[in-house]
Amino acid sequence: GAGVSQTPSNKVTEKGKYVELRCDPISGHTALYWYRQSLGQGPEFLIYFQGTGAADDSGLPNDRFFAVRPEGSVSTLKIQRTERGDSAVYLCASSHDSNSPLHFGNGTRLTVT
Amino acid sequence: EDQVTQSPEALRLQEGESSSLNCSYTVSGLRGLFWYRQDPGKGPEFLFTLYSAGEEKEKERLKATLTKKESFLHITAPKPEDSATYLCAVQAMLTGGGNKLTFGTGTQLKVEL
Repeated sequence: GAGVSQTPSNKVTEKGKYVELRCDPISGHTALYWYRQSLGQGPEFLIYFQGTGAADDSGLPNDRFFAVRPEGSVSTLKIQRTERGDSAVYLCASSHDSNSPLHFGNGTRLTVT
Repeated sequence: EDQVTQSPEALRLQEGESSSLNCSYTVSGLRGLFWYRQDPGKGPEFLFTLYSAGEEKEKERLKATLTKKESFLHITAPKPEDSATYLCAVQAMLTGGGNKLTFGTGTQLKVEL
């Protein structure tokens, strides 16, 4: 497809469980970002990848959150020991380079019960 | 810390009734101001980037303008399909050269027949 693809679109998990959220960026985009959007709020920055490396993870709320991008394309956001406060829409975005506009996927809606 | 405030929170217009959305910002050195449109259940869709005071950009019924402290999104003769949440964001430089966006909470626009 032409856009950023995120799977699953919805994920319901129990408190304390581990989850993985996947992002497939636009082909050829070297920059990849994860954002989190709570209801009624704007997206908040979590982490930025340039190629395979996490160039800036200053937005990750704590050490339960981790993300990888091993081959410089697909990225996975991993959340350990989920808490109810982690419930939100997790958005992935990619851009051609670090100065180009971000193009967002439709997000994964995570619900922790 | 960068801050973005959008007003009004919600706006109801009749079809054809022009109006403006406001985005006020405080940032230590603006690198860019972005407007996005977000439909329910979707990710933000890029509309415009503005870089310097006095700059204007247009797309169909939308025009974005920028001053040193705020940006306006003018909607001329809106149609029901313009109904969406409009998000404003300011750009800061990330460690590693990435593009961090700080978003406002958005203006929810409803255009009625």
